[in-house]
Amino acid sequence: GNSVTQMEGPVTLSEEAFLTINCTYTATGYPSLFWYVQYPGEGLQLLLKATKADDKGSNKGFEATYRKETTSFHLEKGSVQVSDSAVYFCALSDRQGAQKLVFGQGTRLTINP
Amino acid sequence: DVKVTQSSRYLVKRTGEKVFLECVQDMDHENMFWYRQDPGLGLRLIYFSYDVKMKEKGDIPEGYSVSREKKERFSLILESASTNQTSMYLCAVRKGRESGNTIYFGEGSWLTVV
Repeated sequence: GNSVTQMEGPVTLSEEAFLTINCTYTATGYPSLFWYVQYPGEGLQLLLKATKADDKGSNKGFEATYRKETTSFHLEKGSVQVSDSAVYFCALSDRQGAQKLVFGQGTRLTINP
Repeated sequence: DVKVTQSSRYLVKRTGEKVFLECVQDMDHENMFWYRQDPGLGLRLIYFSYDVKMKEKGDIPEGYSVSREKKERFSLILESASTNQTSMYLCAVRKGRESGNTIYFGEGSWLTVV
Protein backbone atom coordinates (compact mmCIF):
# COMPACT_ATOMS: atom_id res chain seq x y z
CA GLY A 1 0.00 0.00 0.00
CA ASN A 2 0.91 3.65 -0.05
CA SER A 3 3.25 5.00 2.62
CA VAL A 4 5.22 8.11 3.52
CA THR A 5 8.48 8.25 5.46
CA GLN A 6 9.68 11.48 6.99
CA MET A 7 12.94 12.53 8.53
CA GLU A 8 12.84 11.86 12.23
CA GLY A 9 12.72 14.79 14.56
CA PRO A 10 12.83 16.81 16.55
CA VAL A 11 14.82 19.34 14.55
CA THR A 12 16.25 22.41 16.25
CA LEU A 13 17.79 25.28 14.28
CA SER A 14 18.85 28.85 14.83
CA GLU A 15 16.99 31.70 13.20
CA GLU A 16 18.06 32.35 9.56
CA ALA A 17 19.43 28.81 9.17
CA PHE A 18 18.68 26.71 6.09
CA LEU A 19 16.02 24.04 6.58
CA THR A 20 15.56 20.67 4.91
CA ILE A 21 13.03 18.08 6.05
CA ASN A 22 13.29 14.87 4.05
CA CYS A 23 10.24 13.00 2.79
CA THR A 24 10.10 9.88 0.63
CA TYR A 25 7.08 7.94 -0.47
CA THR A 26 5.93 4.60 -1.80
CA ALA A 27 2.87 4.57 -4.03
CA THR A 28 1.32 2.91 -7.00
CA GLY A 29 0.54 5.22 -9.85
CA TYR A 30 1.08 8.96 -9.67
CA PRO A 31 0.03 10.45 -6.36
CA SER A 32 -0.36 14.10 -5.43
CA LEU A 33 2.05 15.24 -2.72
CA PHE A 34 1.51 17.68 0.12
CA TRP A 35 3.16 19.36 3.06
CA TYR A 36 0.93 20.31 5.97
CA VAL A 37 1.94 22.38 8.99
CA GLN A 38 0.49 22.27 12.51
CA TYR A 39 1.14 25.18 14.85
CA PRO A 40 0.81 24.58 18.59
CA GLY A 41 -2.77 23.88 19.64
CA GLU A 42 -4.15 24.07 16.11
CA GLY A 43 -5.31 21.76 13.33
CA LEU A 44 -3.40 21.11 10.12
CA GLN A 45 -2.97 23.76 7.46
CA LEU A 46 -1.97 23.07 3.90
CA LEU A 47 1.48 24.55 3.31
CA LEU A 48 2.13 23.53 -0.29
CA LYS A 49 1.36 20.83 -2.82
CA ALA A 50 2.49 19.32 -6.13
CA THR A 51 0.33 17.20 -8.37
CA LYS A 52 2.75 15.83 -10.96
CA ALA A 53 6.40 14.97 -11.45
CA ASP A 54 8.84 17.93 -11.49
CA ASP A 55 6.21 20.32 -10.13
CA LYS A 56 7.49 22.68 -7.45
CA GLY A 57 5.13 23.73 -4.69
CA SER A 58 5.93 26.92 -2.79
CA ASN A 59 4.41 29.05 -0.07
CA LYS A 60 5.69 31.41 2.68
CA GLY A 61 9.30 30.86 1.57
CA PHE A 62 9.00 27.06 1.73
CA GLU A 63 9.55 24.94 -1.37
CA ALA A 64 9.33 21.27 -2.31
CA THR A 65 9.84 19.57 -5.68
CA TYR A 66 8.05 16.38 -6.75
CA ARG A 67 10.88 13.99 -7.73
CA LYS A 68 9.46 10.85 -9.28
CA GLU A 69 12.87 9.29 -9.96
CA THR A 70 13.82 9.40 -6.27
CA THR A 71 10.21 9.21 -4.94
CA SER A 72 10.91 12.25 -2.79
CA PHE A 73 9.30 15.56 -1.82
CA HIS A 74 11.78 17.26 0.51
CA LEU A 75 10.75 20.50 2.20
CA GLU A 76 13.23 23.40 2.13
CA LYS A 77 13.43 26.98 3.33
CA GLY A 78 16.40 29.27 2.89
CA SER A 79 16.10 31.26 6.11
CA VAL A 80 13.85 30.09 8.92
CA GLN A 81 12.16 32.28 11.50
CA VAL A 82 11.03 31.65 15.06
CA SER A 83 7.44 31.71 13.79
CA ASP A 84 8.17 28.62 11.65
CA SER A 85 8.32 26.49 14.80
CA ALA A 86 5.65 23.83 14.28
CA VAL A 87 5.11 20.19 13.34
CA TYR A 88 5.40 19.45 9.62
CA PHE A 89 3.66 16.53 7.92
CA CYS A 90 4.37 15.12 4.49
CA ALA A 91 1.44 13.36 2.85
CA LEU A 92 0.32 11.78 -0.39
CA SER A 93 -3.04 11.31 -1.99
CA ASP A 94 -3.72 8.76 -4.68
CA ARG A 95 -5.99 9.61 -7.58
CA GLN A 96 -8.54 6.86 -7.09
CA GLY A 97 -11.69 6.73 -5.04
CA ALA A 98 -11.92 9.19 -2.18
CA GLN A 99 -8.27 10.18 -2.66
CA LYS A 100 -7.64 10.04 1.04
CA LEU A 101 -4.38 11.28 2.50
CA VAL A 102 -1.63 9.04 3.84
CA PHE A 103 0.68 10.86 6.27
CA GLY A 104 4.21 10.58 7.48
CA GLN A 105 4.78 10.60 11.21
CA GLY A 106 5.49 14.33 11.41
CA THR A 107 8.65 16.31 12.17
CA ARG A 108 8.73 18.79 15.04
CA LEU A 109 10.74 21.89 14.18
CA THR A 110 11.95 24.38 16.78
CA ILE A 111 13.65 27.61 15.78
CA ASN A 112 15.68 29.43 18.41
CA PRO A 113 16.26 33.19 18.21
CA ASP B 1 -10.76 27.91 1.26
CA VAL B 2 -13.11 25.37 2.79
CA LYS B 3 -14.27 26.06 6.34
CA VAL B 4 -14.36 22.93 8.50
CA THR B 5 -15.84 23.34 11.97
CA GLN B 6 -15.48 20.81 14.77
CA SER B 7 -18.02 21.40 17.50
CA SER B 8 -15.87 20.67 20.55
CA ARG B 9 -12.22 21.60 21.03
CA TYR B 10 -11.71 19.89 24.40
CA LEU B 11 -13.70 17.06 25.95
CA VAL B 12 -13.22 14.89 29.01
CA LYS B 13 -15.30 11.71 29.14
CA ARG B 14 -15.49 8.69 31.39
CA THR B 15 -14.69 5.14 30.33
CA GLY B 16 -17.78 3.50 28.88
CA GLU B 17 -19.51 6.74 27.89
CA LYS B 18 -20.88 7.24 24.38
CA VAL B 19 -19.11 10.15 22.70
CA PHE B 20 -20.14 12.17 19.66
CA LEU B 21 -17.69 14.34 17.74
CA GLU B 22 -19.36 16.60 15.20
CA CYS B 23 -17.90 18.09 12.05
CA VAL B 24 -19.58 20.56 9.72
CA GLN B 25 -18.38 21.94 6.36
CA ASP B 26 -19.57 25.14 4.73
CA MET B 27 -19.67 23.94 1.12
CA ASP B 28 -21.23 21.13 -0.87
CA HIS B 29 -18.25 18.77 -0.83
CA GLU B 30 -18.76 15.04 -1.01
CA ASN B 31 -15.74 13.53 0.68
CA MET B 32 -15.23 13.87 4.42
CA PHE B 33 -12.74 12.14 6.73
CA TRP B 34 -12.00 11.47 10.38
CA TYR B 35 -8.38 11.05 11.51
CA ARG B 36 -6.79 10.62 14.89
CA GLN B 37 -3.38 12.07 15.71
CA ASP B 38 -0.99 10.52 18.19
CA PRO B 39 2.65 11.45 18.91
CA GLY B 40 5.10 9.46 16.79
CA LEU B 41 2.30 7.91 14.72
CA GLY B 42 1.24 10.89 12.63
CA LEU B 43 -2.37 10.91 11.47
CA ARG B 44 -4.29 7.69 10.95
CA LEU B 45 -7.55 7.42 9.06
CA ILE B 46 -10.53 6.11 11.05
CA TYR B 47 -13.45 6.44 8.60
CA PHE B 48 -14.36 8.41 5.53
CA SER B 49 -17.51 9.15 3.58
CA TYR B 50 -18.13 9.58 -0.13
CA ASP B 51 -21.57 11.10 0.23
CA VAL B 52 -24.70 11.12 2.36
CA LYS B 53 -25.30 7.77 4.07
CA MET B 54 -22.14 6.35 2.49
CA LYS B 55 -19.16 5.40 4.65
CA GLU B 56 -15.98 3.39 4.37
CA LYS B 57 -13.59 2.06 6.99
CA GLY B 58 -10.15 3.56 7.15
CA ASP B 59 -7.05 2.03 8.70
CA ILE B 60 -8.16 1.97 12.35
CA PRO B 61 -12.00 1.76 12.52
CA GLU B 62 -12.24 -0.53 15.56
CA GLY B 63 -14.16 1.07 18.41
CA TYR B 64 -15.61 3.80 16.21
CA SER B 65 -18.62 4.36 13.98
CA VAL B 66 -19.76 7.31 11.88
CA SER B 67 -22.93 8.96 10.69
CA ARG B 68 -23.60 11.13 7.67
CA GLU B 69 -27.28 12.01 7.38
CA LYS B 70 -26.69 15.37 5.71
CA LYS B 71 -23.98 16.32 3.26
CA GLU B 72 -22.52 19.06 5.42
CA ARG B 73 -22.24 17.03 8.64
CA PHE B 74 -20.06 14.02 9.45
CA SER B 75 -20.13 12.64 12.99
CA LEU B 76 -17.67 10.32 14.69
CA ILE B 77 -19.12 8.10 17.41
CA LEU B 78 -17.30 6.25 20.16
CA GLU B 79 -19.88 3.72 21.31
CA SER B 80 -18.11 2.98 24.59
CA ALA B 81 -15.10 5.19 25.19
CA SER B 82 -11.88 3.64 26.43
CA THR B 83 -8.68 5.22 27.72
CA ASN B 84 -6.75 4.17 24.59
CA GLN B 85 -9.04 6.46 22.61
CA THR B 86 -7.58 9.50 24.33
CA SER B 87 -6.26 11.44 21.36
CA MET B 88 -6.67 14.42 19.09
CA TYR B 89 -9.35 13.90 16.44
CA LEU B 90 -9.25 15.78 13.17
CA CYS B 91 -12.04 16.11 10.65
CA ALA B 92 -11.18 16.86 7.03
CA VAL B 93 -12.98 17.69 3.80
CA ARG B 94 -11.77 17.18 0.23
CA LYS B 95 -12.43 19.96 -2.21
CA GLY B 96 -13.32 19.15 -5.81
CA ARG B 97 -11.01 17.85 -8.53
CA GLU B 98 -10.23 21.36 -9.69
CA SER B 99 -8.32 21.98 -6.46
CA GLY B 100 -5.82 19.19 -7.13
CA ASN B 101 -7.15 16.81 -4.50
CA THR B 102 -6.58 19.26 -1.66
CA ILE B 103 -7.92 18.25 1.74
CA TYR B 104 -8.74 20.86 4.39
CA PHE B 105 -8.78 20.21 8.14
CA GLY B 106 -10.72 21.44 11.12
CA GLU B 107 -8.96 22.69 14.24
CA GLY B 108 -9.19 19.36 16.02
CA SER B 109 -10.94 17.96 19.07
CA TRP B 110 -8.85 16.93 22.05
CA LEU B 111 -10.55 13.99 23.77
CA THR B 112 -9.43 12.68 27.14
CA VAL B 113 -11.02 9.47 28.43
CA VAL B 114 -10.59 8.91 32.17
